[in-house]
Amino acid sequence: GAGVSQSPSNKVTEKGKDVELRCDPISGHTALYWYRQSLGQGLEFLIYFQGNSAPDKSGLPSDRFSAERTGGSVSTLTIQRTQQEDSAVYLCASSLAEQSEAFFGQGTRLTVV
Amino acid sequence: DQQVKQNSPSLSVQEGRISILNCDYTNSMFDYFLWYKKYPAEGPTFLISISSIKDKNEDGRFTVFLNKSAKHLSLHIVPSQPGDSAVYFCAASVNYGGATNKLIFGTGTLLAVQP
Repeated sequence: GAGVSQSPSNKVTEKGKDVELRCDPISGHTALYWYRQSLGQGLEFLIYFQGNSAPDKSGLPSDRFSAERTGGSVSTLTIQRTQQEDSAVYLCASSLAEQSEAFFGQGTRLTVV
Repeated sequence: DQQVKQNSPSLSVQEGRISILNCDYTNSMFDYFLWYKKYPAEGPTFLISISSIKDKNEDGRFTVFLNKSAKHLSLHIVPSQPGDSAVYFCAASVNYGGATNKLIFGTGTLLAVQP
């Protein structure tokens, strides 16, 4: 597809379970971001990948959160031992290296029950 | 520490009038600023941007103004249309030597344009 694709679109999980969220960026985009938006809140930065550089993980809220980007393309955000406060919409975005305009996917709505 | 702030959570405007959305930032290293629009259940979409070397950028009904000394930017929409009703996010980044850095977003302003 032409845009950023995220899967699943919705995920309901039990507290304590692990979840994986997937992001397929736009082809050729070297920068990839993960953000989350909790109910009534803004866009919270989680992690940023840029080419082969070490990712900027400064936004990850705890060590239960991790992300990887394989082959400079697809990215997976993993949340271990999910908690109710992890419930949010998780948004992925990608951009060209030399541009700041990032293009977002539709997001994954995560609900921890 | 909220580096990008949108102090108005909501704004209501009559159709045809001007909408002015405001954003303040604290990090003087920011040199690129963007506005995104977000409809419910959709990802944010890029609207307009401005580099710190400019103080104004215009695209159709949308104009962004940057006041670096005040660390303030604003988005003007004129004339406002009901389809403009959405949450508007301000974002900022630092570009190092042509390479982008992470985007930092504000908390958003919900714009409602009344017919």
